[in-house]
Amino acid sequence: ELKVEQNPLFLSMQEGKNYTIYCNYSTTSDRLYWYRQDPGKSLESLFVLLSNGAVKQEGRLMASLDTKARLSTLHITAAVHDLSATYFCAVDILYYSGTYKYIFGTGTRLKVLA
Amino acid sequence: DGGITQSPKYLFRKEGQNVTLSCEQNLNHDAMYWYRQDPGQGLRLIYYSQIVNDFQKGDIAEGYSVSREKKESFPLTVTSAQKNPTAFYLCASSQRLAGGAYNEQFFGPGTRLTVL
Repeated sequence: ELKVEQNPLFLSMQEGKNYTIYCNYSTTSDRLYWYRQDPGKSLESLFVLLSNGAVKQEGRLMASLDTKARLSTLHITAAVHDLSATYFCAVDILYYSGTYKYIFGTGTRLKVLA
Repeated sequence: DGGITQSPKYLFRKEGQNVTLSCEQNLNHDAMYWYRQDPGQGLRLIYYSQIVNDFQKGDIAEGYSVSREKKESFPLTVTSAQKNPTAFYLCASSQRLAGGAYNEQFFGPGTRLTVL
């Protein structure tokens, strides 16, 4: 079964602290994406990770990809309230039919407390 | 400005009524997608289309229908067969890459549908 799992599902953290969100997927993929969703809003793209060992950083967020472990991490450094949102990972997987299927993770709801 | 537009932003449906949600993109993307999101939940794929005049069912297609007559347009009809349609509906598009994979998805602002 094709699955993309994130943990934790909910995360409440203090401002200034560091934390990591994990994204595990069940089959081979070389492409992984991270998105952010603010409450009541649509999704916006954060990072595109295209190969094993890829690392991208934007402000206090850093994403990495380990295709051998089928794992991506989203690391938050010195969290601020503005980072409160839901974060989704997604992978593009080659399906048995020869087509690609895009699968989203379960989402991690992050709340940063002042 | 390139992007994806969805209309209306809010939609109210009476029981037994069909309603159509609009999705247009001017990014020249090959693929388009419809997702449903219930409060506090993740995304569930309803339908997707990778080329004009062709589309595939996603995980929760029952009670929904789509068409893809033009590359830039992918309307979603919520039929009366969908018994619990109240949700946030998101349309997205992505560009096909060499080798057949697809790049990141770009999302529209969403349509919030409420059944009365």
